[in-house]
Order: sequence, then structure tokens, then C-alpha cells
Amino acid sequence: AQKVTQAQTEISVVEKEDVTLDCVYETRDTTYYLFWYKQPPSGELVFLIRRNSFDEQNEISGRYSWNFQKSTSSFNFTITASQVVDSAVYFCALSDPITGGGNKLTFGTGTQLKVEL
Amino acid sequence: NAGVTQTPKFRVLKTGQSMTLLCAQDMNHEYMYWYRQDPGMGLRLIHYSVGEGTTAKGEVPDGYNVSRLKKQNFLLGLESAAPSQTSVYFCASSDREYGTQYFGPGTRLLVL
Repeated sequence: AQKVTQAQTEISVVEKEDVTLDCVYETRDTTYYLFWYKQPPSGELVFLIRRNSFDEQNEISGRYSWNFQKSTSSFNFTITASQVVDSAVYFCALSDPITGGGNKLTFGTGTQLKVEL
Repeated sequence: NAGVTQTPKFRVLKTGQSMTLLCAQDMNHEYMYWYRQDPGMGLRLIHYSVGEGTTAKGEVPDGYNVSRLKKQNFLLGLESAAPSQTSVYFCASSDREYGTQYFGPGTRLLVL
């Protein structure tokens, strides 16, 4: 069965610190997709990144970067120079094909990030 | 574009009452999904649809029904609400099977 583990329940940092959110996944599929979503205090789920299993290049988008390592089944997310606006719950998710079509997302339990002044 | 919208934003029900949650998307997506979010459990799939007129069960379908009569709308029904259905409900849509799922703002439901 698919599984996503976000072992860090809550992280607190001071503004401008770098912070890494860990994500470890389990799957027997050879082709799969990984995602990160942000859930700010307002409650909506904001898509951040989608990565397929064949692309192990690291990705950088502004202050955000992602490190995908197939060998360790990890897809970690780093925020550089954190800001108060980064305070949110961050979810890692794994594509999970459904018999008959479609694909559900298996979510981790989320990491609450608190960035303080 | 509005993306994915959900109606209502918040609702309080008494045990045994029924209600329908509406999800609408304006991105012409084929796939639509209903998830529920409970504290400490991430999101879990209730029902989904791979196209207009189709529906299928997810991992926690009991107590819910769905319909997709129009491509842009996906309705989630609770026939007889129970306190265990107190949750935040999210709808999502994607353009292809492994495409990114874009989520609506959520509906907070409290069943007393």
C-alpha cells in the first residue's frame, strides 16, 4: 500500500532561518508522482509542486527548493530565508492509481511550520 | 477564472439531517474528487469521478453519495448526517489521470 510519512509534526523557526520539511514515501509503482501542498491558516490547499518519478533533478522556485532522492524514497522541501507568511501546514502527497481509472492522492499527516519574528 | 469553488463554506447540521455539498470547476477538467480532512489524518478520498456521468468509491465512501450530471459540477450528498461526518470537505479537479489536483476552498461541516 502507498504510504507517505511526514515525521515532523511541528517546526518552529525564527524568520530568515532556512528550514527543511521531510517527506518519505512508500510505493511499489515504478511510475508515480509526488506533490507538495501548502495549507495556510485560512484553510485552502495551495499546490506548490508536482514531480514525476523519472525526474530526479532538484527544483528551485524562488525561496523554495525540492530535493527528490529515489534511492531513499524521499522528497524533501526546503524554504530558504523563511518569512512569517510561510507559516502554514505543508502536506506531501503521492499519486496512488485507482483501479478503473483516476488517481487519488495519498497524503502525509502534514508538518505545521511556524515562523516567528 | 474562479478555478474550483465549493458551496457552502460552513454548515451546521443535526444528526439525521441531509445536505448536499456542491463543487464547481471552470477549467474543463475530466477528473473530480471529494476528500475529507480530519485532524492528524491528512486527507482521505471519499468518492471520485473520471468524467461526466461517472462516479466511483474512494477509501471512505460510507454515508456519502455523489453525482456528476454535468462535467463542471460534482455533488456530495449526506443522506443522514452523523457526528462522525464532522470534518472539512475538499473538492479537487484535474485535467488528466496523473495531473495536478487543484483544490477548492473547503466546506467546514459540523454535525451535532
